[in-house]
Amino acid sequence: DADVTQTPRNRITKTGKRIMLECSQTKGHDRMYWYRQDPGLGLQLIYYSFDVKDINKGEISDGYSVSRQAQAKFSLSLESAIPNQTALYFCATSDGTSGRLNEQFFGPGTRLTVL
Amino acid sequence: GQNIDQPTEMTATEGAIVQINCTYQTSGFNGLFWYQQHAGEAPTFLSYNVLDGLEEKGRFSSFLSRSKGYSYLLLKELQMKDSASYLCAVSLRSNDYKLSFGAGTTVTVRA
Repeated sequence: DADVTQTPRNRITKTGKRIMLECSQTKGHDRMYWYRQDPGLGLQLIYYSFDVKDINKGEISDGYSVSRQAQAKFSLSLESAIPNQTALYFCATSDGTSGRLNEQFFGPGTRLTVL
Repeated sequence: GQNIDQPTEMTATEGAIVQINCTYQTSGFNGLFWYQQHAGEAPTFLSYNVLDGLEEKGRFSSFLSRSKGYSYLLLKELQMKDSASYLCAVSLRSNDYKLSFGAGTTVTVRA
């Protein structure tokens, strides 16, 4: 079974709609992250959370919000989707703050298209 | 943000060797990761370096020089399945140990 799962895997929506992408993990990690990936731009950090009561903005948080419902769950919302939010979205987790523990484990991704 | 530079694209022939370079700012360095990402899929861990030198794992090796802010990933005996994007990622104490990713190097292996 996958350690980090994302739902949905694909989503097509219209401009102005509110949508939620969900991420769950069974790795027992405290740290969770949301990234978007556009061709040629690499991974851009949207939001991150170091524990259930902790939420932090990343590089490109405008137009997005998150909720950390439990240690295992971290959701990303687009309040009013726009076409330039069309991208591949990844959730990731990590264990700690030193050395190899900083390795991030990624979910399979959600391909979002905003028409 | 953290400037992490790596080439955009590289092309090589099946069976050959390719070296992907990565440079980064050295302040607060806490480790460097290489990930492999096939098109449309999630990045997967390849290697980790925190001390200077070479880490070898099968056909893949990764080198680090902390004083120079430099790493490379060496792919030997290239196979068609190695066609993918390779991401260099750096962990910094000043960035709460989060990973900062380079834009990735797309490697195309030709027959």
